[in-house]
Amino acid sequence: EDQVTQSPEALRLQEGESSSLNCSYTVSGLRGLFWYRQDPGKGPEFLFTLYSAGEEKEKERLKATLTKKESFLHITAPKPEDSATYLCAVQASSGGSYIPTFGRGTSLIVHP
Amino acid sequence: EAGVTQSPTHLIKTRGQQATLRCSPISGHTSVYWYQQALGLGLQFLLWYDEGEERNRGNFPPRFSGRQFPNYSSELNVNALELEDSALYLCASRPEGTDHNEQFFGPGTRLTVL
Repeated sequence: EDQVTQSPEALRLQEGESSSLNCSYTVSGLRGLFWYRQDPGKGPEFLFTLYSAGEEKEKERLKATLTKKESFLHITAPKPEDSATYLCAVQASSGGSYIPTFGRGTSLIVHP
Repeated sequence: EAGVTQSPTHLIKTRGQQATLRCSPISGHTSVYWYQQALGLGLQFLLWYDEGEERNRGNFPPRFSGRQFPNYSSELNVNALELEDSALYLCASRPEGTDHNEQFFGPGTRLTVL
């Protein structure tokens, strides 16, 4: 069974204080690992897809990296508007369902 | 390009009633997924529709059902509502083709069962 564990559950940062969110996963062959941002009461917003170990992707203050067992979402010099829940999901390469397994997310609060 | 749309935004029902939630995917996307996100829990997969057919369903009772129309829009029906069905229901769409794996989500429908 595919599993995704995100840590920490909650993270409080001061504006400008860089940090990383972790996503550990077990999957029977990785088709893709996804990062989403979700604001309260809204639908998740797609951020990145990573496909293979060693791959990195960047968007503004966010950088996602991937190893064979985990992914990190690095946040550099965060701003209050980066406050949100960040979700990680994995999709197995076996079968054709394309149904991802989601973690419970990391709730990030950035204080001004 | 318009994103995934869902209606209604909020829905209030009482126990035992039926709820119907609607979703329109991004133009050109043929797959529609439904998820339940209860307070404090992660996204739980409900149903997957592609080309008008139900392709897979999650671990939910049969009173959760749906369909996909020829224009690829979709409907989720929840019969005999229970208090624990209160949640944010999210619809996502994915483009056709195996090279496109990421899903794009709508804003959700907040269902409250009293």
